[in-house]
Amino acid sequence: EPEVTQTPSHQVTQMGQEVILRCVPISNHLYFYWYRQILGQKVEFLVSFYNNEISEKSEIFDDQFSVERPDGSNFTLKIRSTKLEDSAMYFCASSDTTDGPERYEQFFGPGTRLTVL
Amino acid sequence: AQKITQTQPGMFVQEKEAVTLDCTYDTSDPSYGLFWYKQPSSGEMIFLIYQGSYDQQNATEGRYSLNFQKARKSANLVISASQLGDSAMYFCAMREDNAGNMLTFGGGTRLMVKP
Repeated sequence: EPEVTQTPSHQVTQMGQEVILRCVPISNHLYFYWYRQILGQKVEFLVSFYNNEISEKSEIFDDQFSVERPDGSNFTLKIRSTKLEDSAMYFCASSDTTDGPERYEQFFGPGTRLTVL
Repeated sequence: AQKITQTQPGMFVQEKEAVTLDCTYDTSDPSYGLFWYKQPSSGEMIFLIYQGSYDQQNATEGRYSLNFQKARKSANLVISASQLGDSAMYFCAMREDNAGNMLTFGGGTRLMVKP
């Protein structure tokens, strides 16, 4: 069964450093998302991406964040200058655009745990 | 106001019994969808079930069913015949048509199944 993959599974970085989190969405999907979950808290939406541009973003997704689809398979989240409060699990998700309720189902990757020291 | 409220931070259920996890939502959008995800201790998010606001019947997927009460704005998840592997965090989420495809999650309920 197709699945969303994410690398690395765990990233440790120093405050102020740039990190890039990578995701490979399901191959025929066209909508891509990033969410984050601070330890013990709810999952929060960051950004959605469709047709090579951002379609929605939350207040969390400020100028320190950017997303990119550098090729036909990868979808990346970059944090330019990490802060301690960026420590969280980051989930990538994807969905397709077929008709019917299935088009709303978002398939989540296993997540990347980011630790900022 | 919270868009998704899960009032039960933690619940216990005896193995083989049914359990209901509560979820209430708040939206003025007439077209929306409600989701339940399971998050085991390993951390991944597993889709369980979806209910559209215009669906006439309650959604069911195997041992999972969604008790959708539109007038009360509730979308409770019912798990029948609980198994030890059902022990996990469960999140209710909503997608509103006017907000695109983003999901808004509740705070989650930790379900613990007792042998």
